[in-house]
Amino acid sequence: GAGVSQSPSNKVTEKGKDVELRCDPISGHTALYWYRQSLGQGLEFLIYFQGNSAPDKSGLPSDRFSAERTGGSVSTLTIQRTQQEDSAVYLCASSLTPGQGARETQYFGPGTRLLVL
Amino acid sequence: SQELEQSPQSLIVQEGKNLTINCTSSKTLYGLYWYKQKYGEGLIFLMMLQKGGEEKSHEKITAKLDEKKQQSSLHITASQPSHAGIYLCGAANTDKLIFGTGTRLQVFP
Repeated sequence: GAGVSQSPSNKVTEKGKDVELRCDPISGHTALYWYRQSLGQGLEFLIYFQGNSAPDKSGLPSDRFSAERTGGSVSTLTIQRTQQEDSAVYLCASSLTPGQGARETQYFGPGTRLLVL
Repeated sequence: SQELEQSPQSLIVQEGKNLTINCTSSKTLYGLYWYKQKYGEGLIFLMMLQKGGEEKSHEKITAKLDEKKQQSSLHITASQPSHAGIYLCGAANTDKLIFGTGTRLQVFP
């Protein structure tokens, strides 16, 4: 596709429910990233997929968060038993195979705005 | 861990004025990215700098990375309402980006 797409664009859920957020990266991009942007916390890294390598999960805030990337393309970020502090904008980005230091530009999707009531 | 501090946090300028946003890193920068974000949209890539002393321009926006590679500045010449938004600097940290706190720019007629 022309750019990174994410769905849904907005999600309102009740505390305790599970949610799934989807990301379609730019065609041909092997690297996929999830970030979270919340008030007072700025933009923080969550998880990174590169090809068939084991994902870098170092940014996931708790074991309620998980992500998978099927077929090396589409990715789903799942949040189980959502809490109010999970409310944020979840951004996905993709890039060509990165060199050392993430020197391949990351292109971002429009984000999913999650509100947990 | 590496931290990026942006200044100012917020900026309100009159259309036509010049402005500068700064990004200071706690560690050496090996790749510095500038993005712009508008409400309801994702981050729009502006420029990437890697070499100390490097300077890049796109339309009326110029970004520089200082020689010591610990600070970058973004300069907008003759600002327009279309420049309004949140400007974020991001530092390459292994294969992910660490972002600054952002600078909110408003441009009034």
